[in-house]
Amino acid sequence: DTGVSQDPRHKITKRGQNVTFRCDPISEHNRLYWYRQTLGQGPEFLTYFQNEAQLEKSRLLSDRFSAERPKGSFSTLEIQRTEQGDSAMYLCASSLWGGALHGYTFGSGTRLTVV
Amino acid sequence: DQQVKQNSPSLSVQEGRISILNCDYTNSMFDYFLWYKKYPAEGPTFLISISSIKDKNEDGRFTVFLNKSAKHLSLHIVPSQPGDSAVYFCAADLQGGSEKLVFGKGTKLTVNP
Repeated sequence: DTGVSQDPRHKITKRGQNVTFRCDPISEHNRLYWYRQTLGQGPEFLTYFQNEAQLEKSRLLSDRFSAERPKGSFSTLEIQRTEQGDSAMYLCASSLWGGALHGYTFGSGTRLTVV
Repeated sequence: DQQVKQNSPSLSVQEGRISILNCDYTNSMFDYFLWYKKYPAEGPTFLISISSIKDKNEDGRFTVFLNKSAKHLSLHIVPSQPGDSAVYFCAADLQGGSEKLVFGKGTKLTVNP
């Protein structure tokens, strides 16, 4: 297993278009997280899954954002009607139980640019 | 409101010397604290963590100190190496099993040969 994979690495889209990102976590990890990082800021929590259940969502996750983890394996993050303010690095991470103490494993991220 | 603050955007040290990165927090409900390192074009990499019931945790060249009364933690890197040059993020986790990490803005460390 090579770690957490995210696809695509870069995405440029026009304002108003929909985009979807994919995350493949480490196979034995049951928890999966999405974070967003803008320039000069630290990562900000968006949402997390335990297996296929979405257990927590941030206020940052507006109704244009939706995340799924259909079979408790890979996850997708969709942004509808993109806005320039959505331009950011979208990071996925995974962990086993007790991830807070032992740290999550992050992927390399998907950089979204909305033009 | 920023609950986790890294007030130094950058730090430069000489190879072999100690690097000290600082972090302050405001929420007394934070239970665990973590440090991540991030290289350009890569995701953050977990370095070291500390539970709020401890005041020190050590892992090789990395030591984290926690001062709960001051709501302050620091990461010491001894000796610093050029490969340590990266952005370092402090993060905190709330009590009660919340899976949400709150990150600071990061400190860019440059270790000069």
